[in-house]
Amino acid sequence: EVQLVQSGAEMKKPGESLKISCKGSGFGFTGHWITWVRQMPGKGLEWMGIIYPGDSDTRYSPSFQGQVTISADKSTNTAYLLWSSLKPTDTAIYYCARSSSPYGFLDHWGQGTLVTVSS
Amino acid sequence: QSVLTQPPSASGTPGQRVTISCSGSGSNIGSNTVHWYQQLPRTAPKVLMYSTNQRPSGVPDRFSGSKSGTSASLAISGLQSEDEAAYYCATWDDSVNGWVFGGGTKLSVL
Repeated sequence: EVQLVQSGAEMKKPGESLKISCKGSGFGFTGHWITWVRQMPGKGLEWMGIIYPGDSDTRYSPSFQGQVTISADKSTNTAYLLWSSLKPTDTAIYYCARSSSPYGFLDHWGQGTLVTVSS
Repeated sequence: QSVLTQPPSASGTPGQRVTISCSGSGSNIGSNTVHWYQQLPRTAPKVLMYSTNQRPSGVPDRFSGSKSGTSASLAISGLQSEDEAAYYCATWDDSVNGWVFGGGTKLSVL
């Protein structure tokens, strides 16, 4: 069974760093693309970027370039989303999702990670 | 403001047919296939329709998709209470070189 299991909810202060994870199982992790999607409270879906764990080819949305870092560890079948300095506006649910190509639809999604940034 | 434009809300009564539109431009819908995602309350999105009009296994044939020019539509016939959810269209955008989503349409079943 294909699964993407994300790390648990986080509560952080502005300026802190954070890395959340997305662990894949039941499929060839290095042969698929992993996308990160943001959903701010009560809002819609926003594409943040995508990574191919096989060679770490990474592409970012212009809106998120320089704001976050996407990485992957193919030895543990895990993708990551990293912030070096969180802002209150980073408060959102973050989803990872799988596709067979960078242009392919997102066929399996993680359960989401709620990140709350507040002083 | 989303690159793809969807109506923020739609509604219908059980058994009715409803259509949700998604409007874009030549660099996105006009050049690429469209996918639709359904997000039930307090759950992760899931793919409902891919490559404009293909249903994943398990999605009933009450759901159908179409595209014309720079617009796409999702139709739901025989509306059921469990269809109450948010629906998002998405496609690749050649000018952004990335994915773009519609703002989402919240469907209410009255």
